Amino acid sequence: GAGVSQSPSNKVTEKGKDVELRCDPISGHTALYWYRQSLGQGLEFLIYFQGNSAPDKSGLPSDRFSAERTGGSVSTLTIQRTQQEDSAVYLCASSSRDRDGYTFGSGTRLTVV
Amino acid sequence: QKEVEQNSGPLSVPEGAIASLNCTYSDRGSQSFFWYRQYSGKSPELIMSIYSNGDKEDGRFTAQLNKASQYVSLLIRDSQPSDSATYLCAVGGSGYSTLTFGKGTMLLVSP
Repeated sequence: GAGVSQSPSNKVTEKGKDVELRCDPISGHTALYWYRQSLGQGLEFLIYFQGNSAPDKSGLPSDRFSAERTGGSVSTLTIQRTQQEDSAVYLCASSSRDRDGYTFGSGTRLTVV
Repeated sequence: QKEVEQNSGPLSVPEGAIASLNCTYSDRGSQSFFWYRQYSGKSPELIMSIYSNGDKEDGRFTAQLNKASQYVSLLIRDSQPSDSATYLCAVGGSGYSTLTFGKGTMLLVSP
C-alpha cells in the first residue's frame, strides 16, 4: 500500500479484556516495528521483525504482550488481560533498506477503562 | 541502556527566525540519526536523516552531527507557524536496527 495502515484507529476496552491491533506495512518493506507512546512520554520500543529472522522481543513490557507477523507482511500485536497502564497510542512502522528511517502508521489509540 | 536526551521546551521563536533543536545520545556506537516531526495527535513524520559528521541540508532544514561530542542538532531556517510541532530525535545502530527516541522538543513559532 501507499503507507503503513493500522487498525483500529481507536479502541476502548474494559480492563481484563484481550485486544488485537493490526498493522499492514508498506509493500516491500521487510522490517516492521511496534512502538507505543504514552501521554507526554517518548516512544517506547516494543518489538521488531526483520524478514524471516526471529523477532526482537526485548521491548515487550510483560508476557501479556505478544506479536506475530504473517507471510512477512501484516502484523498483529495482542495484549491479553489489559490493564489501565496499557492505555497509550500504539504505533507501527516499517522500513525498506539498511539504515533507513521508519515510516509510521497513524497509530491505534488504546484506552483501557 | 541507550539514552537520547532532548530539552522538552517549549522553544518559542518568531516567524522568520532560525530555530535550533538539540539532542545528545549515550551510545558511542550509534551510526544513524534521524529527526522526526510530530504534530499534536498525529504520528511522527521523518524529516531528516544524517549518518556522517558535519552538516546536511534539505530545504529549510539542516541537520548537524558531531559523533565525538555525541551531539546532533536540527536547524530550521525561516521558521513558519506551520513548523510548530514536537521534534523527535532518534538514534540507531548500523544496519537494520531499532531506533531509540528522545522525548522530543516542542517548537512554537509565533506569527
